[in-house]
Amino acid sequence: DQQVKQNSPSLSVQEGRISILNCDYTNSMFDYFLWYKKYPAEGPTFLISISSIKDKNEDGRFTVFLNKSAKHLSLHIVPSQPGDSAVYFCAASGLSGSARQLTFGSGTQLTVLP
Amino acid sequence: DSGVTQTPKHLITATGQRVTLRCSPRSGDLSVYWYQQSLDQGLQFLIQYYNGEERAKGNILERFSAQQFPDLHSELNLSSLELGDSALYFCASSGSGDRQETQYFGPGTRLLVL
Repeated sequence: DQQVKQNSPSLSVQEGRISILNCDYTNSMFDYFLWYKKYPAEGPTFLISISSIKDKNEDGRFTVFLNKSAKHLSLHIVPSQPGDSAVYFCAASGLSGSARQLTFGSGTQLTVLP
Repeated sequence: DSGVTQTPKHLITATGQRVTLRCSPRSGDLSVYWYQQSLDQGLQFLIQYYNGEERAKGNILERFSAQQFPDLHSELNLSSLELGDSALYFCASSGSGDRQETQYFGPGTRLLVL
């Protein structure tokens, strides 16, 4: 049972345009959401996060939107740059007993075309 | 650089063997997490340690075990290795209290079982 889903395995965008990556979750107990970027042969790098009490968080070119009623979040990258080409993982955080755990989506490969 | 270090970077071994992967968390982080990423798969949570004690278990096989030492570094032991254990193994660390939601990942160990 996939609790965090990224339904688009890949996305291609022209340089300078907006990239929108989507993520859906099923567990309403998740209270914190994160996006990670991963280059080949490297570990995931933390990008941006959002608490469930907010609906938007912005950091430079990256903005994360959360729609709790739809159990949906999205990452917007504006403007997109070729260096943004990577796999993007959505992750949801919740308490399991006394431990906080991350559940990851399967990732979306973003390709920014020059 | 996330501040999380993992050794070795690459490991090639044979079926039936045992290997140990090592992780040093970011300075000050008490929690260590282990993840497995198989080919074309997302990140699967294996196990979490907090300040030397096991805190949570995910999809970890009985052939796998881990521990966290007093200096907070952690080791993941994989035994009776099978071909299907070939994967990237990531370690992540996080702080405590309000800082525990965000996990920071190491560069990973690529394990190849022949």
